[in-house]
Amino acid sequence: QQQVKQSPQSLIVQKGGISIINCAYENTAFDYFPWYQQFPGKGPALLIAIRPDVSEKKEGRFTISFNKSAKQFSLHIMDSQPGDSATYFCAASRNTDKLIFGTGTRLQVFP
Amino acid sequence: DAGVIQSPRHEVTEMGQEVTLRCKPISGHNSLFWYRQTMMRGLELLIYFNNNVPIDDSGMPEDRFSAKMPNASFSTLKIQPSEPRDSAVYFCASLLRGQGEAFFGQGTRLTVV
Repeated sequence: QQQVKQSPQSLIVQKGGISIINCAYENTAFDYFPWYQQFPGKGPALLIAIRPDVSEKKEGRFTISFNKSAKQFSLHIMDSQPGDSATYFCAASRNTDKLIFGTGTRLQVFP
Repeated sequence: DAGVIQSPRHEVTEMGQEVTLRCKPISGHNSLFWYRQTMMRGLELLIYFNNNVPIDDSGMPEDRFSAKMPNASFSTLKIQPSEPRDSAVYFCASLLRGQGEAFFGQGTRLTVV
């Protein structure tokens, strides 16, 4: 009930391509779904977040797609750049308490 | 604000020794979280506090781990006695309830030999 499942574990994309990372959850009480970006030696930092009252949120090259009925959400990175190379974590929480993270996706973008 | 401040950044200790990790949350934030990150298990929530009160410590692996938050500006995570399998990066994060965004510190890389 508390798990957030994330895939793939790693992703290699060419510069300019689209990176897609998927997450699934079980607990229907979750009402906040953020994505965090982590660079080596740093703590995770919020990238973009969505609440279940909308199906999509876009910020620049980053888009979250949310499917409430399937209990799935995904991160799309358009025009991927080498600077996007990092580990990405999806997460979920209820009332912003107890943020539960997925296992992470290591993204490598090659020139 | 300087963000969430954790100390030390790196800690190497011998098995059996006591280890204390420290965290100063962002001023005004009322929730604080301790996470452990390993390659195998990703980011695991160990414990979180609301208004300095521990709310959920179900993620604390065993009795060797303890956490305190004596006031709104300081928290500690203690491991006694430490074991090699405790080697990981430990993160502290804080947020203002209702705002959603959790801010993470730089982490403490713990190595138990």
